Amino acid sequence: EAGVTQSPTHLIKTRGQQATLRCSPISGHTSVYWYQQALGLGLQFLLWYDEGEERNRGNFPPRFSGRQFPNYSSELNVNALELEDSALYLCASSSGYEQYFGPGTRLTVT
Amino acid sequence: AQSVTQLGSHVSVSEGALVLLRCNYSSSVPPYLFWYVQYPNQGLQLLLKYTTGATLVKGINGFEAEFKKSETSFHLTKPSAHMSDAAEYFCAVTYDNTDKLIFGTGTRLQVFP
Repeated sequence: EAGVTQSPTHLIKTRGQQATLRCSPISGHTSVYWYQQALGLGLQFLLWYDEGEERNRGNFPPRFSGRQFPNYSSELNVNALELEDSALYLCASSSGYEQYFGPGTRLTVT
Repeated sequence: AQSVTQLGSHVSVSEGALVLLRCNYSSSVPPYLFWYVQYPNQGLQLLLKYTTGATLVKGINGFEAEFKKSETSFHLTKPSAHMSDAAEYFCAVTYDNTDKLIFGTGTRLQVFP
């Protein structure tokens, strides 16, 4: 069974640009979660999508947004990038209470 | 607010020694509890979970954890550390089986030969 996949592995952007990160869940999982792991800030919940709808949102500004497609894959968009957005972005999928994580996308903002 | 506390950001043990990583949660309702491990430059791997039932749960790689409601704790243990256990370990909790995970700040485990 294939695990959660994320692309790209690394992404380098400059301040003010937009970044798009992608996630494909485990087959059969309808929920996708996004977390940010920034240096010194730990793992923080960003967004939760289920059946194409945004179900919950963490304490992040509106420039962090996303969507879930009919095949349950998901996209995270970060607009107007700031230096402090540099982090590892982890996607997880779930069909219940267990969340399975992908390898992450390392976003570097210069 | 719901929170998870991991005591000790760094723990060092000798190979073959007992591993004990501490986790306490704040909650007035029964939680679902998890331990994840993160190896360098990788995502999180689920080690074990507690949902309901038996309070001593066994996970992968010889790890186990015990849910103690009276102490609001879910400490992770392994009887004998291996060099390959060196990684960062995260305790997490959720109070709704489909909602977000709340993570502790992590404990970096070092294993010395």
